[in-house]
Amino acid sequence: NAGVTQTPKFQVLKTGQSMTLQCAQDMNHNSMYWYRQDPGMGLRLIYYSASEGTTDKGEVPNGYNVSRLNKREFSLRLESAAPSQTSVYFCASSPNVDTEAFFGQGTRLTVV
Amino acid sequence: KNQVEQSPQSLIILEGKNCTLQCNYTVSPFSNLRWYKQDTGRGPVSLTIMTFSENTKSNGRYTATLDADTKQSSLHITASQLSDSASYICVVSALTGANNLFFGTGTRLTVIP
Repeated sequence: NAGVTQTPKFQVLKTGQSMTLQCAQDMNHNSMYWYRQDPGMGLRLIYYSASEGTTDKGEVPNGYNVSRLNKREFSLRLESAAPSQTSVYFCASSPNVDTEAFFGQGTRLTVV
Repeated sequence: KNQVEQSPQSLIILEGKNCTLQCNYTVSPFSNLRWYKQDTGRGPVSLTIMTFSENTKSNGRYTATLDADTKQSSLHITASQLSDSASYICVVSALTGANNLFFGTGTRLTVIP
């Protein structure tokens, strides 16, 4: 039982490049989330998927897109990376919204 | 405005000592309050979750309290260990759907021998 698995763990991008962060959970959770964590700030919600087939914007969605591929997988795409997107990204899942969330190990992204 | 404030920002204590971390919030309507532990380079891990009707909950050496009237919570760590060195994040959930979690910026605890 791996919980929430994120790939890659580290990534360096050049400004303007694109990439997709992958997230998979094996707990049969309905809800999945993408957060970013920046120094001196609390985690901020980028996008979430309350259930398979639905996605909604969070607090800071600009510059990102998501895909809920199936119940297990929820990916985050940066179409044209910017230095302001340098951050640590966390994927999380929960049985349903407003229940305890389980976090992945994070992806440290640097955009130069 | 929904906010969660934690204090202190950082704390250094000797191994074996106790400590208390504070969380004040203005989130409304309130659903639940959670404390997470985040080790350096890792994702947050849940310690406790408390609803409106619960005023204390323990998880081993961690005891969380909640005063819903004053909108304050504390996390007490007893007999600290070196492995307690981490950031402790207070998260308050509002009764408004998935985009409803409000995160504090955390207290960075360092336990020294």
